[in-house]
Amino acid sequence: DAKTTQPPSMDCAEGRAANLPCNHSTISGNEYVYWYRQIHSQGPQYIIHGLKNNETNEMASLIITEDRKSSTLILPHATLRDTAVYYCILCNTGNQFYFGTGTSLTVIP
Amino acid sequence: AAGVIQSPRHLIKEKRETATLKCYPIPRHDTVYWYQQGPGQDPQFLISFYEKMQSDKGSIPDRFSAQQFSDYHSELNMSSLELGDSALYFCASSLGVRGLSGNTIYFGEGSWLTVV
Repeated sequence: DAKTTQPPSMDCAEGRAANLPCNHSTISGNEYVYWYRQIHSQGPQYIIHGLKNNETNEMASLIITEDRKSSTLILPHATLRDTAVYYCILCNTGNQFYFGTGTSLTVIP
Repeated sequence: AAGVIQSPRHLIKEKRETATLKCYPIPRHDTVYWYQQGPGQDPQFLISFYEKMQSDKGSIPDRFSAQQFSDYHSELNMSSLELGDSALYFCASSLGVRGLSGNTIYFGEGSWLTVV
């Protein structure tokens, strides 16, 4: 079962940074934080993941608090194509990977 | 780069019929996951396989079964179909030892099942 909490929806102006928060207060020491996004009815797309340190790739940055109880996905320059549902997921032990309710991000022109 | 391939992309079945969905993981990936996403819902984990053995089980109905074959492709078999089984079914794959341990899961584009 999902162990993350995300706001149901957010808006962001095109060209501005989109900051998507995620709370995971019950995260355990060996759980990674993953971010995926789903553009309407397409397969979920991997964005980024991390364990303790902040991470950056060509798509986004991931900021994880020192206590690991929350994280923020940053899309530095949001475009209209970034409109999607963004999921913050904690990887479980074994091979279960549960989606929560996600944040529906709308990028506004 | 090769991605996760699912077939068929669209399938229409009548109630009480049987359907089979196929998934071809990314080459060298040894773990396969199945998800069900109903209209307006989030993806729900059904089942996963690692090295051809079932590794974890989620909310998969008893009417459904799945397996992973020697070439690592997987099939999801759904019997006695109900209207509520109409959904988008995703397959995903990853590489690594049991447990994600920081590995990335890659998703296919899904198979649309409509039960009428």
